[in-house]
Amino acid sequence: DTGVSQDPRHKITKRGQNVTFRCDPISEHNRLYWYRQTLGQGPEFLTYFQNEAQLEKSRLLSDRFSAERPKGSFSTLEIQRTEQGDSAMYLCASSGGQGSDEQYFGPGTRLTVT
Amino acid sequence: EDQVTQSPEALRLQEGESSSLNCSYTVSGLRGLFWYRQDPGKGPEFLFTLYSAGEEKEKERLKATLTKKESFLHITAPKPEDSATYLCAVQALTGGFKTIFGAGTRLFVKA
Repeated sequence: DTGVSQDPRHKITKRGQNVTFRCDPISEHNRLYWYRQTLGQGPEFLTYFQNEAQLEKSRLLSDRFSAERPKGSFSTLEIQRTEQGDSAMYLCASSGGQGSDEQYFGPGTRLTVT
Repeated sequence: EDQVTQSPEALRLQEGESSSLNCSYTVSGLRGLFWYRQDPGKGPEFLFTLYSAGEEKEKERLKATLTKKESFLHITAPKPEDSATYLCAVQALTGGFKTIFGAGTRLFVKA
């Protein structure tokens, strides 16, 4: 296993369009996280899954954001009706230790909304 | 509300000049405190997990310590390759595995 992968690495879209990102976690990990990071800031928690169940979603997240993790494997993050303020790096991480939650991050998807 | 504050925002050191980074946290019962390293354009890389006050972890030139209100990342005799952003994060006992990150400390080590 080579770690967490994300696709695409870069996405440029026009305001108002929908975009979808994919994350493939480390295969034995049961928890998967999505974060958003802007320049000079730390990762901002968006949501996380335990297997296929979405257990928490940030109150900061608008209804335009939705995430899924069918069958507890890969996950997708969709942003509908994108706005310029959505421009950021979207990071995915996975973890799975019993009582230990070090997260392993993917390289991120950089979204630019024009 | 759970919060993480890191200081300083940026730190410039000469090679070999030891220093410490601070992470102050407010959380309703600590499940764990984490340190990560992030290089430009990459995802964060896990360094340490600390669970209880008094705990210490070491790895090469880095040592992390934890009290009931803050954590320190001590860097001994840093090298230019230690230049990166260091991120602190917490999970609360009542928050499941929701993870709150600080804004990070940008470390620059000059040869």
